[in-house]
Amino acid sequence: DAGVIQSPRHEVTEMGQEVTLRCKPISGHNSLFWYRQTMMRGLELLIYFNNNVPIDDSGMPEDRFSAKMPNASFSTLKIQPSEPRDSAVYFCASSTGGEKLFFGSGTQLSVL
Amino acid sequence: AQSVTQPDIHITVSEGASLELRCNYSYGATPYLFWYVQSPGQGLQLLLKYFSGDTLVQGIKGFEAEFKRSQSSFNLRKPSVHWSDAAEYFCASTSGNTPLVFGKGTRLSVIA
Repeated sequence: DAGVIQSPRHEVTEMGQEVTLRCKPISGHNSLFWYRQTMMRGLELLIYFNNNVPIDDSGMPEDRFSAKMPNASFSTLKIQPSEPRDSAVYFCASSTGGEKLFFGSGTQLSVL
Repeated sequence: AQSVTQPDIHITVSEGASLELRCNYSYGATPYLFWYVQSPGQGLQLLLKYFSGDTLVQGIKGFEAEFKRSQSSFNLRKPSVHWSDAAEYFCASTSGNTPLVFGKGTRLSVIA
């Protein structure tokens, strides 16, 4: 298995633009997590899904952030409109039970 | 609410020296505890985990960690550090029904 695949690896955009981050979890994993990593806050859980259903989105910073999981093999995290303070590394992780997580390599987002 | 504290932001050790990274958790019952390692530009990789039983757990790459309920700690140790161990280390916990909560990480530098 190729592991959790995230795209793009790097994204540079201008303030106000829409940003879409993508994630393909490991086949057979039924839980998917989106984390954001910054120097100031460390790793923050944004949202997680079980069997494609969002379970807890309390970590989503504001309405500009949205996440979807239309099927078991794909998820997106969208920021619209983006702001410079959204600059961070965004990680997707998947698991079979929420305990041992397998992380993707992350998307480095820079909003100018 | 659960929380995980890693008191040391950055630690520098000499190659061949022993290592101990500190982690304290806040949770009423016994949590599930984890240590992850993050190399530059990569996602997190699981080093070891504690669920129950023997309080000293062995992990990959020669790491071990000891659960001490009386101190609410789960410190990571390695008897002899290699230059390739330089990375960011994250402690995490879960009650089993909730997603992982991560500490802010400890950056390990290894000098010759």
